[in-house]
Amino acid sequence: EIVMTQSPATLSVSPGERATVSCRASQSVSSNLAWYQQKPGQAPRLLIYGLSTRATGIPARFSGSGSGTEFTLTISSLQSEDFAIYYCQQYNNWPPSTFGQGTKLEIK
Amino acid sequence: EVHLIQSGGGLVQPGGSLRLSCAASGFTFVSYAMNWVRQAPGKGLEWVSAISGSGSGTYYANSIKGRFTISRDNSKNTLYLQLNSLRADDTAVYYCAKDGETNGWPSYYFVNWGQGTLVTVSS
Repeated sequence: EIVMTQSPATLSVSPGERATVSCRASQSVSSNLAWYQQKPGQAPRLLIYGLSTRATGIPARFSGSGSGTEFTLTISSLQSEDFAIYYCQQYNNWPPSTFGQGTKLEIK
Repeated sequence: EVHLIQSGGGLVQPGGSLRLSCAASGFTFVSYAMNWVRQAPGKGLEWVSAISGSGSGTYYANSIKGRFTISRDNSKNTLYLQLNSLRADDTAVYYCAKDGETNGWPSYYFVNWGQGTLVTVSS
């Protein structure tokens, strides 16, 4: 089973600034990497799949990058609605598909 | 517009059973694999199970293998998860999720999610 490790656990950023969330895989997952956003009491929402493809309706300020075992989600200019928990997920080696433990993005 | 409406959660005693349902609309149900993902209180996401569009292929996480059964009724556009031999560590919000690819086989990234249903296992 591939282990996904996110950092940091909590990220404090001011509105309008850039936020970067990191994700590391215990072995290569090629480009089979997705990112999700989850707000309290809500289901997760797909942001990015295939490493860097934005899902339908996702603003361009969200971008994904990386390769192999090291990945990054960048939010270029934080809006108030972006403060949430973010999860990375690998779907290269399955089952099981595995998620990172989450990064909480909070207002500084 | 895709809609996934879940039902069937609740409180159950250890060792008990429960069936979760997920009614789908807004897309060609048989063309997509479907999944269940769970989230224990205050914890992260855990993929639980997947089923191919035709229902011929089923896949399970080791943590629930032999206790949970995924199925689907394509005539009713409905996904199911039968939970047996429930344990306290099965307590979680369970989400159904529509797969990302249209070929009917799991790709394991999840484009659309149900609203979630809470399963609480406690005496």
